[in-house]
This record gives sequence, C-alpha cells and structure tokens, in this order.
Amino acid sequence: GESVGLHLPTLSVQEGDNSIINCAYSNSASDYFIWYKQESGKGPQFIIDIRSNMDKRQGQRVTVLLNKTVKHLSLQIAATQPGDSAVYFCAENPLEGAQKLVFGQGTRLTINP
Amino acid sequence: ETGVTQSPTHLIKTRGQQVTLRCSSQSGHNTVSWYQQALGQGPQFIFQYYREEENGRGNFPPRFSGLQFPNYSSELNVNALELDDSALYLCASSSYRGGRGGYTFGSGTRLTVV
Repeated sequence: GESVGLHLPTLSVQEGDNSIINCAYSNSASDYFIWYKQESGKGPQFIIDIRSNMDKRQGQRVTVLLNKTVKHLSLQIAATQPGDSAVYFCAENPLEGAQKLVFGQGTRLTINP
Repeated sequence: ETGVTQSPTHLIKTRGQQVTLRCSSQSGHNTVSWYQQALGQGPQFIFQYYREEENGRGNFPPRFSGLQFPNYSSELNVNALELDDSALYLCASSSYRGGRGGYTFGSGTRLTVV
C-alpha cells in the first residue's frame, strides 16, 4: 500500500549558510529532548540533547532551542557543510513510560554546493 | 570500543513466515531497545530490555517478541509476518534503564515482506 510518510518536510540551504530545523513535540510532560541525524543506510546518530529546565544549549556548530510554552524545539546548524545533508529527527522522552523515545516525522536537509 | 552491530543487514521474507533479527550492544551498555522505522517516518518504539527482562513495550502486537542474553545482546522475533512489517528495524543500546543518557543506534536491518 501507499506509504503516507514518504513526503518528508524538506529544507535546502547553500553550503556555508545557517539552517534551522523545527519540531513540534506532543507531550507537555516530556522533560528530555534529543536531536538525531540519520544518513542514508545508517541508524540515527546523536547530535545534541536538552533538558526541560533549559531554553538553549550549544554544541559544535549546533544549537538547540526549547520553547516549552508552545512545545517547540529547533536545531540550528551553523556554516553548513555537504556532510550535513541527512534527515534530522527530534525525539522526546516522556516522563510516563520513561523507557522510550518518541520521534517526530523528520526533516530532510539538503546542502547545495 | 565497539558500537552497536545488527544482523542481517537486509532480509526478504514471505508473508506468514517468522523472522529473527539480532543485535550486539555497545560495550558497557546493559539496555537494548528496538525500534521500527517505516519508509519516510521516524522510528517507533517496539520494546526495551534491561538485564534480560522486558522494561516497557510500545503499541505492537504480541507477535513481536524479544530476548536479551547475559552478554546484553538481543534478538527481535516477529511471527506471522505481514506486508506492513516491511521496515528498517533499529536496535539501540544504552547504559541507562530509561531513555536518558543517549542511545547508540545500529545501522538497522532492512526487512522486506513479500
């Protein structure tokens, strides 16, 4: 049958530009969030995480912003490189059933040379 | 330090058959979780094993079952395969019982049911 999930949100940016990937999460009780990068043929790779007692966290070339009021998470990637092309997922860890991660749909990021 | 390894990488099965997927967890990790990732979607939690016992289960029928061994490796078994079981099956290990501390994912097993 047809897969309704084939049409991932996409984002195309020029190499060297900054990119922002957005994610809306569902559970107001979630207190831990992770961004993953998934390249073709590979499993998700940890990028950065943030706990609900923080609004912002920075890593190497990446920044995660958390807005608990509107249940919104964003990933900023600075000075994008061709190797940044991948699908990016946000994941939340609800307090109830704390043993699992709940993933969003994902965004396909393409870096144009 | 070795990462998470999964086998086989690809598999084709016929509807109604049974399949076993295998996962070796990262050294030092005692918790293994399995996820199903349909094409174009995010991974969905199947279940988690901690010290050889199931530690939570997602919305999957009983024909999805698992095992964890004393060396923390794990198996995912699926009986009576259906066409909709076609997906990438991901194993993730961690050193925490819960979802914190980050998971290390394997590259997955691509299962095709025909």
